[in-house]
Amino acid sequence: EVQLLESGGDLVQPGGSLRLSCATSGFTFSSYALSWVRQAPGKGLEWVSTISVTGDTTYYADSVKGRFSISRDTSRNTLYLQMNSLRVEDTAVYYCANSYFDSSGFDYWGQGTLVTVSS
Amino acid sequence: DIQMTQSPSSLSASVGDRVTLTCRASQGVGTYLAWFQQRPGKAPKSLIYAASSLQSGVPSKFSGSGSGTDFTLTISSLQPEDFATYYCLQYNTYPRTFGPGTNVEIK
Repeated sequence: EVQLLESGGDLVQPGGSLRLSCATSGFTFSSYALSWVRQAPGKGLEWVSTISVTGDTTYYADSVKGRFSISRDTSRNTLYLQMNSLRVEDTAVYYCANSYFDSSGFDYWGQGTLVTVSS
Repeated sequence: DIQMTQSPSSLSASVGDRVTLTCRASQGVGTYLAWFQQRPGKAPKSLIYAASSLQSGVPSKFSGSGSGTDFTLTISSLQPEDFATYYCLQYNTYPRTFGPGTNVEIK
């Protein structure tokens, strides 16, 4: 069974930092691109970032470029999102999702973790 | 960036109805188009990828079609568990972009 389990969401002040994790199991980690997608309260889905199968290529939405960093650890089958210089508008549920060789959209999703940026 | 639009933004339907949702891209995306279902308070679930391929485990009452800029998702016979918000996604280019969603409500 494919599982993606996010953690690390919290309440943080504007300008603060947070690292999200996504522990995965049930699929061949080295065959899937991995992504973060977020959803602000009451809003639609917004793609945030993707890391390639090999981890050597990363992509970011303009809204987070230069502030967020995506990475993956093959030894732990885990995806990360380092979030710096957080803004109120970063408040959202953050989902991780996988995609077979980045060729099928987002195949499986985690349950999400809530990040709240507020003073 | 490719802009995605969906219509209608919401619709009311009855159990057993056949409904068709539309997604349009601001420029051609080939068949790099996916559909997702999101029930309230839950994570999105993949239904369709490559415009018309059914994701593993998804019932055949869901079907997708289209290519280029115009796509549809059809639910052949609505059941109570199908009342949800449906999103399309283009994954032809980066940045990936979602449509704003169609909320399917019970009439």
